[in-house]
Amino acid sequence: EVQLVESGGGLVKPGGSLRLSCAASGFTFSNAWMSWVRQAPGKGLEWVGRIKSKTDGGTTDYAAPVKGRFTISRDDSKNTLYLQMNSLKTEDTAVYYCTTELTTHAFDIWGQGTMVTVSS
Amino acid sequence: SYVLTQPPSVSVAPGKTARITCGGNNIGSKSVHWYQQKPGQAPVLVIYYDSDRPSGIPERFSGSNSGNTATLTISRVEAGDEADYYCQVWDSSSDWVFGGGTKLTVL
Repeated sequence: EVQLVESGGGLVKPGGSLRLSCAASGFTFSNAWMSWVRQAPGKGLEWVGRIKSKTDGGTTDYAAPVKGRFTISRDDSKNTLYLQMNSLKTEDTAVYYCTTELTTHAFDIWGQGTMVTVSS
Repeated sequence: SYVLTQPPSVSVAPGKTARITCGGNNIGSKSVHWYQQKPGQAPVLVIYYDSDRPSGIPERFSGSNSGNTATLTISRVEAGDEADYYCQVWDSSSDWVFGGGTKLTVL
């Protein structure tokens, strides 16, 4: 079964850091371009960033609100995607989903999400 | 940056047809994807490449895209279709962009 499972969410103070993980199974993770998408409480979906497969360069791209503060990485030996979040702001409070374009070049596989709350 | 505009809400009676629009500058030149999200759940892809359906998505869901408007059409609406719907495109200057979402209410 194709599956993405996020973990690592929690409560953090403004200015703090947090690392999210996304464990993948059921597909060839090393070939996949992986993205993070977030959703603030009661709000819409917002793309956070993406990492390409190593065969496609392994490069990363980020949305403007998180550029310079968030870093996406991957460990293909562990089938795991990471999101390192630094200098967190209250507006980063959201459910964070990992997702991938497995077969359709759209986000056809999603994890269940992990909640990040930035508050003093 | 590229902007996608959706109506905040659409209401429809059971058995009728719901149409949810997604407006963007020359969106007809882009590929549009649509997601359904029910409360407390992750989004689910329901239409990709303007009008293709992933396996498992009912034929009642269809899509079109032309000019400055893409449309998700849900025929013979059921109570279980009540959800938030988001359109999405890839833009060379903005990367992935989502519309603001439309809440579909089944009366």
